[in-house]
Amino acid sequence: GAGVSQTPSNKVTEKGKYVELRCDPISGHTALYWYRQSLGQGPEFLIYFQGTGAADDSGLPNDRFFAVRPEGSVSTLKIQRTERGDSAVYLCASSFGDRGPAFFGQGTRLTVV
Amino acid sequence: GESVGLHLPTLSVQEGDNSIINCAYSNSASDYFIWYKQESGKGPQFIIDIRSNMDKRQGQRVTVLLNKTVKHLSLQIAATQPGDSAVYFCAANYGGSQGNLIFGKGTKLSVKP
Repeated sequence: GAGVSQTPSNKVTEKGKYVELRCDPISGHTALYWYRQSLGQGPEFLIYFQGTGAADDSGLPNDRFFAVRPEGSVSTLKIQRTERGDSAVYLCASSFGDRGPAFFGQGTRLTVV
Repeated sequence: GESVGLHLPTLSVQEGDNSIINCAYSNSASDYFIWYKQESGKGPQFIIDIRSNMDKRQGQRVTVLLNKTVKHLSLQIAATQPGDSAVYFCAANYGGSQGNLIFGKGTKLSVKP
């Protein structure tokens, strides 16, 4: 597709479960970002990939959160032992290099019950 | 910590009028600024960006002004239309990367027909 694709669009999980959220960036974009957005707030930075490596993971809240991008394209955000406070919309964005604007996907709404 | 804030959480304008949305940032090292539009249930949509070596940049019906002296930027929308109704976020980069953005809480723009 032409834009950033995120799957699933909605995910409901039980507290304590493990979840994976997928992001398919715009073709040719080398930089990929994960953000989290709570209701009524602006997006909050989690992690940034340049190619396959995490260039900046300073926004990951704790070691339950982990992200990979093994081939420099698709990325997966992994959350272990989910907590109700993890409920939010998880947004992925990509850009051509790290000097261009980031384009966002529609997000995955995660609800932990 | 670093912050980006919008001056008004809501703004209501008449269709056809010009809109001005203001934003302040705190990090003097920020050198990249960007505006996004977010409609309900969707991801942020890129509007316009500006680097710190410029003080003005124009797009289609939009203009961004940057005042580094007072750490302030604004988004001007000309001839506002009902389709412009959305939440608008400004963001500034943190650190060297353009991808680690700090977002404000957003201004909800309502356009009255």
